[in-house]
Amino acid sequence: AQTVTQSQPEMSVQEAETVTLSCTYDTSENNYYLFWYKQPPSRQMILVIRQEAYKQQNATENRFSVNFQKAAKSFSLKISDSQLGDTAMYFCVRGASYDKVIFGPGTSLSVIP
Amino acid sequence: GAVVSQHPSWVICKSGTSVKIECRSLDFQATTMFWYRQFPKQSLMLMATSNEGSKATYEQGVEKDKFLINHASLTLSTLTVTSAHPEDSSFYICSALDPPGPYEQYFGPGTRLTVT
Repeated sequence: AQTVTQSQPEMSVQEAETVTLSCTYDTSENNYYLFWYKQPPSRQMILVIRQEAYKQQNATENRFSVNFQKAAKSFSLKISDSQLGDTAMYFCVRGASYDKVIFGPGTSLSVIP
Repeated sequence: GAVVSQHPSWVICKSGTSVKIECRSLDFQATTMFWYRQFPKQSLMLMATSNEGSKATYEQGVEKDKFLINHASLTLSTLTVTSAHPEDSSFYICSALDPPGPYEQYFGPGTRLTVT
């Protein structure tokens, strides 16, 4: 079965510091996409960042950036200058073709004032 | 950006009754929608894939007769929990694909179902 693994169930970071969330995945496809979604206490899923597998350049969105290692099937998320509003569950998600996506188990991130 | 709504956001029903949850894509046409179930502090569990005009595809272990899914139009999919029991209490989330986007799913805000 194709899976997504997040090895850190819980993490915490001091406000204004940097934190990295890990993700590894399994796929047999060559063309796929990877996403990080956050789910704050409101439980609304919010897209944080997206990476196309065919692009070598790592995606960045303001304070959020990824380290995409295709050969290693690794897709980590770095949050810089952490803010209290970053407190949420973070899900690493793999998508491919017009089909279902695979969710990781999630990492609960707490930003400490 | 693409917006998906869900209604109701919170519903309480008695055991044995049925409840319908609506999922709407507000500013795009969604040929494919997904229904998820989420337990507290857990990841999303895909229940079924809903395609407009055709029968839904259910994941293994999901009871088709209990969780009825209808995708009657390009902007509306419904999930009906039939003969609800307390163990059906959960948070249900829908999402929609907005083609030809990069397989990104747009999520609704979710529906909290409590069966008493």
